[in-house]
Amino acid sequence: QQQVKQSPQSLIVQKGGIPIINCAYENTAFDYFPWYQQFPGKGPALLIAIRPDVSEKKEGRFTISFNKSAKQFSLHIMDSQPGDSATYFCAASKGSGAGSYQLTFGKGTKLSVIP
Amino acid sequence: ETGVTQSPTHLIKTRGQQVTLRCSSQSGHNTVSWYQQALGQGPQFIFQYYREEENGRGNFPPRFSGLQFPNYSSELNVNALELDDSALYLCASSLGGASADTQYFGPGTRLTVL
Repeated sequence: QQQVKQSPQSLIVQKGGIPIINCAYENTAFDYFPWYQQFPGKGPALLIAIRPDVSEKKEGRFTISFNKSAKQFSLHIMDSQPGDSATYFCAASKGSGAGSYQLTFGKGTKLSVIP
Repeated sequence: ETGVTQSPTHLIKTRGQQVTLRCSSQSGHNTVSWYQQALGQGPQFIFQYYREEENGRGNFPPRFSGLQFPNYSSELNVNALELDDSALYLCASSLGGASADTQYFGPGTRLTVL
């Protein structure tokens, strides 16, 4: 059972565009939603994360939008650059009960930003 | 501040062998989680250690085992290797308690099983 569904699988945007990556989750106990960026041959790097008490969080060019009622959250990358070309993963975890603090990841979105 | 480090970088084993992977957590972190990332997939949780005790386990068989040491470094051991064990193995460290979900990953160990 895939608990975090991520789309699209791949995305191509031009430099300066705003790619949007979407994730949907099933487990209403999830209370932490991070996004990771991964370059080929490297480990995932934490980009930004949100908790359900806010609907939006912005850090630099990265923004998370969170919709608790729809059980969806998304990553927006403003003014995208070729250096943003990477695979992006959404994830979710819960802070209590069995399975707490275990990150459940989406399948990833490969982003290509063309000059 | 030193980040999460893992060794070795790459490893090639044959089916049936045993392997040990190592992880040093970020300075000040007492919680280590291990993940398996198959090619083209998201990481999958294997288990987590907090202050030398196993603190949760994913859907992996008992031949996947681990240890955490007093300095919070950790090992992942896999016995009776199978071809499907070929993957990138990632270690992530975090502070314990309510911050255990904010996890920082190392560069990973690429394991190839022939």
